[in-house]
Amino acid sequence: QSALTQPASVSGSLDQSLTISCTGINTDLGGHNYVAWFQQHPDKVPKLLIYDVSRRPSGISDRFSGSKSGDTASLTISGLQPEDEADYYCCSYENNFRIFGGGTRVTVL
Amino acid sequence: QVQLRESGPGLVKPSETLSLSCAVSGGSITSSSYQWGWIRQPPGKGLEWIANIYYNGNTYVNPSLKGRVTMSLDPSRNQFSLKLTSVTAADTAVYYCGREVHGYILRPWDFWGQGMLVTVSS
Repeated sequence: QSALTQPASVSGSLDQSLTISCTGINTDLGGHNYVAWFQQHPDKVPKLLIYDVSRRPSGISDRFSGSKSGDTASLTISGLQPEDEADYYCCSYENNFRIFGGGTRVTVL
Repeated sequence: QVQLRESGPGLVKPSETLSLSCAVSGGSITSSSYQWGWIRQPPGKGLEWIANIYYNGNTYVNPSLKGRVTMSLDPSRNQFSLKLTSVTAADTAVYYCGREVHGYILRPWDFWGQGMLVTVSS
């Protein structure tokens, strides 16, 4: 069974940088660039932050950046702000099928 | 601006069929530039992709739900729908409908509905 693995939680200090990893299990994450990241605040609708590994939709802050190395994709949040405290999900969307990671809770210290 | 809105029963009995609709405004569900789909989130848990449908009716379903899921388009109402059969308590979740851009670029889930809680209980 294919899966994407994320750390359950990550924390960082205000104005620091923080990176969330997303590793493919039984899925060839290293073989394509169809990786997205979503942000979800408590009881809110998820929001697309990054697609195609590193592209940002219009209106998304450049403090959010994405990258990939082999089977691991990463989301980096620079200049951490209180409003960045949320859940973050990676997603692989190759070949008309989608897989979500389990989500990472980001805490701003 | 694209808007999506889910509708349907908020309570479904075990073993019955969950039926939801998603009304779309600001964009046509018959455009070849988009796919439309469903994602769910059990209370306190993560996101799970359910299925997508294309303008021509081609449907793509999460293998873990295959056999239980049907999607359809209603162009006259500019809405699409989801049916999930033989539901159990494990299907209790917030159900989101959403849009993906498909064309020379592929941009997943750039617009979402506000979500609808469906509870499976007798």
